[in-house]
Amino acid sequence: GDSVTQTEGLVTLTEGLPVMLNCTYQTAYSTFLFWYVQHLNEAPKLLLKSSTDNKRTEHQGFHATLHKSSSSFHLQKSSAQLSDSALYYCALINSGTYQRFGTGTKLQVVP
Amino acid sequence: GALVYQYPRRTICKSGTSMRMECQAVGFQATSVAWYRQSPQKTFELIALSTVNSAIKYEQNFTQEKFPISHPNLSFSSMTVLNAYLEDRGLYLCGAREGKDTQYFGPGTRLLVL
Repeated sequence: GDSVTQTEGLVTLTEGLPVMLNCTYQTAYSTFLFWYVQHLNEAPKLLLKSSTDNKRTEHQGFHATLHKSSSSFHLQKSSAQLSDSALYYCALINSGTYQRFGTGTKLQVVP
Repeated sequence: GALVYQYPRRTICKSGTSMRMECQAVGFQATSVAWYRQSPQKTFELIALSTVNSAIKYEQNFTQEKFPISHPNLSFSSMTVLNAYLEDRGLYLCGAREGKDTQYFGPGTRLLVL
């Protein structure tokens, strides 16, 4: 069945350093991939989405490129900010069904 | 634009009682609605997927008897948590979808069970 695998647990970074959160997936269908960000006590918000192979998608300083050859959709940012501290979820959706979320990665940015 | 509203945003119920939550899509036709639960410290689990004019499909570990869902039209869905207990607490998300790509999420209903 479909699955999404993310960098597990907690990632702690010093402010100003680059961010990279890994996401790989398995699906038998053509699909959309998403990154969501969830701040404390809030619902998840869409950060990025893509269905186009090898095309970079950017929003709010974050970017990701869907690579179908490696089934990856890693989230990156050139310079972490304190306000980036949150939970990040990678998700996929395939035709006719629903969104499946990864287990989430907690990003903690410290001064 | 496409928006999804959920009511209530937060609710508290006594153990063994039931509570109903609602999801409303605005600006698009919600041909399918997925209900998710995020338990404390966990990711989002799909409870069920409801598609208009089709049977509602429940995931393993979730049943219609416990989480009855209504999806009467293209803008509204509701789900009830029957006989709620401590393990039912969490954030319940409604994800509504038109077509085959983006699912729009509501802000969630946070359920506390005492």
